[in-house]
Amino acid sequence: ETGVTQSPTHLIKTRGQQVTLRCSSQSGHNTVSWYQQALGQGPQFIFQYYREEENGRGNFPPRFSGLQFPNYSSELNVNALELDDSALYLCASSSQYNEQFFGPGTRLTVL
Amino acid sequence: AQTVTQSQPEMSVQEAETVTLSCTYDTSESDYYLFWYKQPPSRQMILVIRQEAYKQQNATENRFSVNFQKAAKSFSLKISDSQLGDAAMYFCAYRSAGSGNTPLVFGKGTRLSVIA
Repeated sequence: ETGVTQSPTHLIKTRGQQVTLRCSSQSGHNTVSWYQQALGQGPQFIFQYYREEENGRGNFPPRFSGLQFPNYSSELNVNALELDDSALYLCASSSQYNEQFFGPGTRLTVL
Repeated sequence: AQTVTQSQPEMSVQEAETVTLSCTYDTSESDYYLFWYKQPPSRQMILVIRQEAYKQQNATENRFSVNFQKAAKSFSLKISDSQLGDAAMYFCAYRSAGSGNTPLVFGKGTRLSVIA
């Protein structure tokens, strides 16, 4: 059984650019949640996708957007990058009522 | 909104000894789940143990156990016979028992060092 995978592992962007992060969910899971983990902090919920629809959102501006595909993989898009967007972005997949399994994360640095 | 507080930014323990990590939370809900996650330097968040709020019995997973005090809103993690591989960041997390898969609310974490 393949676990949750994320790409890329690391990414460096400059302020104002746009970035797309990708997540492949674990086999059998139809829900993907995205979290932002700033340095020295716990993860914060960005949003969740269930069956290709956004199914909940945390306190993040609209320039954070996402997609979920028919195979339940997901993308996180961030427009107009700011320095404070530098963080580890974690993806977690789950079936609707069960545990969330996390991927290894993407480290984004905004210069 | 629910909040999770971990008051110990760093802890250390001698190999083979026991250590307890503290966590308190605030909620007005009566039904929820509590978790401890481990995040080693590899960054992957690994579930250590889970507790359902409606269960009075404290959860146990091998060397890991919790002390769940619902009235005090306290949820501590005890690691027995500590091993070098236990060194990591530990996060306490809360999840509402709503419909569907509700999001996790994390504390700021406790960095655990294990001394050989």
